[in-house]
Amino acid sequence: DQQVKQNSPSLSVQEGRISILNCDYTNSMFDYFLWYKKYPAEGPTFLISISSIKDKNEDGRFTVFLNKSAKHLSLHIVPSQPGDSAVYFCAASGHGANSKLTFGKGITLSVRP
Amino acid sequence: NAGVTQTPKFQVLKTGQSMTLQCAQDMNHNSMYWYRQDPGMGLRLIYYSASEGTTDKGEVPNGYNVSRLNKREFSLRLESAAPSQTSVYFCASRIDGAAMNTEAFFGQGTRLTVV
Repeated sequence: DQQVKQNSPSLSVQEGRISILNCDYTNSMFDYFLWYKKYPAEGPTFLISISSIKDKNEDGRFTVFLNKSAKHLSLHIVPSQPGDSAVYFCAASGHGANSKLTFGKGITLSVRP
Repeated sequence: NAGVTQTPKFQVLKTGQSMTLQCAQDMNHNSMYWYRQDPGMGLRLIYYSASEGTTDKGEVPNGYNVSRLNKREFSLRLESAAPSQTSVYFCASRIDGAAMNTEAFFGQGTRLTVV
């Protein structure tokens, strides 16, 4: 059973526009959510995170929104840049037995110049 | 400050051969993880170690063994490699996944091909 779901495998947006990447989760014990960015032939790098006590966290062009009742989070990138083209992974964790990081399948974002 | 270092970066094995993937971190992290990445499958957890001296199975542990040699090092062993284990393997570490909400840091990956 997939506990973290990224149902759209790819997204293409125009440079300067907003990119919205979605993620859903099923485990109600998750209380910490992260987004990672991955370029080809490199390891994933941490982008932004949010704790379940918040519903929004912003860092420059990147904002993560959390809707706990819907078990849904999204990553907004504004404005999108060609260098943002990469695979984005959503991840979640909790405490104790749920402390390991569980990842979704990833979304490939392409930003067109 | 190297972060998380994986060796080797590339490896080709014949079916049935064994090998060990090495991982070391210099951030004094308690938790370490091994993931594999396959097309369309995302990052799947193979094994993890919440602290020195403990290891636990993840989502896809079959065909693998791990050793948490000390706080710095966490190795992944394939005893008898199979073509289904062709993948990119990532090691990661985290300050203390069980007690603190923090991000994990990843190595550069090992691309393994089993023929």
